[in-house]
This record gives sequence, structure tokens and C-alpha cells, in this order.
Amino acid sequence: KNQVEQSPQSLIILEGKNCTLQCNYTVSPFSNLRWYKQDTGRGPVSLTIMTFSENTKSNGRYTATLDADTKQSSLHITASQLSDSASYICVVNRSNQAGTALIFGKGTTLSVSS
Amino acid sequence: EPEVTQTPSHQVTQMGQEVILRCVPISNHLYFYWYRQILGQKVEFLVSFYNNEISEKSEIFDDQFSVERPDGSNFTLKIRSTKLEDSAMYFCASARGLSSYEQYFGPGTRLTVT
Repeated sequence: KNQVEQSPQSLIILEGKNCTLQCNYTVSPFSNLRWYKQDTGRGPVSLTIMTFSENTKSNGRYTATLDADTKQSSLHITASQLSDSASYICVVNRSNQAGTALIFGKGTTLSVSS
Repeated sequence: EPEVTQTPSHQVTQMGQEVILRCVPISNHLYFYWYRQILGQKVEFLVSFYNNEISEKSEIFDDQFSVERPDGSNFTLKIRSTKLEDSAMYFCASARGLSSYEQYFGPGTRLTVT
């Protein structure tokens, strides 16, 4: 069954600290993996998109890694800020289409406190 | 920076009523999507639209739902006879292409069916 599992479900960290969010998937075939940031009551915003051949991709303080062999990805946030408080969603694309090929995770809720 | 817009931001309707949710995708995008997110749950794909026709739809997108691109800019989702379980955030998204092209999400419409 095609599934995307994210951990932890929620996380609280102090401002300035680093954190790592995990995404494990059992999706086949595989085309690409996306990380989105979703602020409360807003639409998801893309952080990174990684294809099979990419191991690491950065977007400012966000660094995503992908191990296609173990079917694992992580999102590392460096020097967290209050504005990083959001839900982070891992999405795996099974093909070069979108739509039903996109398998969404439930997300990790990150709270950054001062 | 261009963005996807959605109206209204919040819609309250009575069960059995028809609702139309409106979206204005980014102007040079060709692929359009509707998703929904029930409170506390993951984002779910509803339908994709390309070249003035539905290219894919999920099991959720039954006969009660329809989409239309009535002019060159708007993209609408109609629910003919709303049910309590239709209460959710509805997100419109657009993309320039498929595969690794980024999907841009709108801010969402919160639909509450009473």
C-alpha cells in the first residue's frame, strides 16, 4: 500500500535550536519527493522538490535529504525562528503526473517558542 | 510575486445547498487542481484540470462535485448538494507543468456545512 509516514507527529523546540523531521515512504514507483510548509489556516508552500538522483537540497535554513534505497527523507531546520512554527508535510509523487500520484503525509506540527 | 487567490475565505452553508468556490490560478500556469483538508487530517486530492477538461479525479470527487474554467482566469469548484462531511478547507493549486514542477497553493476556502 502506498503510504507516507511522518515523525514525530508534533515537536516543540526553543528559538535558535535545530531540528530534524522524518519522512518514511512505501510508495512505488517513485518520481519525486516534496516538502511543504503549511501555516495554520493557509495553503501549503513548497520548500523543496527532490528527484531520485538527488540526495540533498537546501532552501535557506531548510535542508532536505533523500535516501531512495531506504525510502527515507528528512527535513533539517537550522537556527529555528518563531515563524517556522507550522505543519511540515512530506509528499511523494509516484509518477510524472500529479493528482492521485501524489501521496501526502499527515505532517509534523512544529512549535518554536521563545 | 504572482500567487493563487481564492474566494471566499470562509463560506457557511446549510446542508443540501449548492456552493461555488472560486480560484484564480497564476496566469501562465496550465495545470489546475482542487484539494481538500478536513480539520486535523491530511490533504486529499480531488481533481486535476488541463486543457479545459478533467484529467484525473479521486474517489472523493463524485457526481456532487464539478469544476469549470468559465473564462481565461477563474477556476471553480461546485458542490451541488452539500453534506455535513463536506466541511473542510478547500485548496486550489496551479502549476506550469507536470513532474517536478512546483504546485502553488492558494490560501484556501474554509467551508462549513451546518
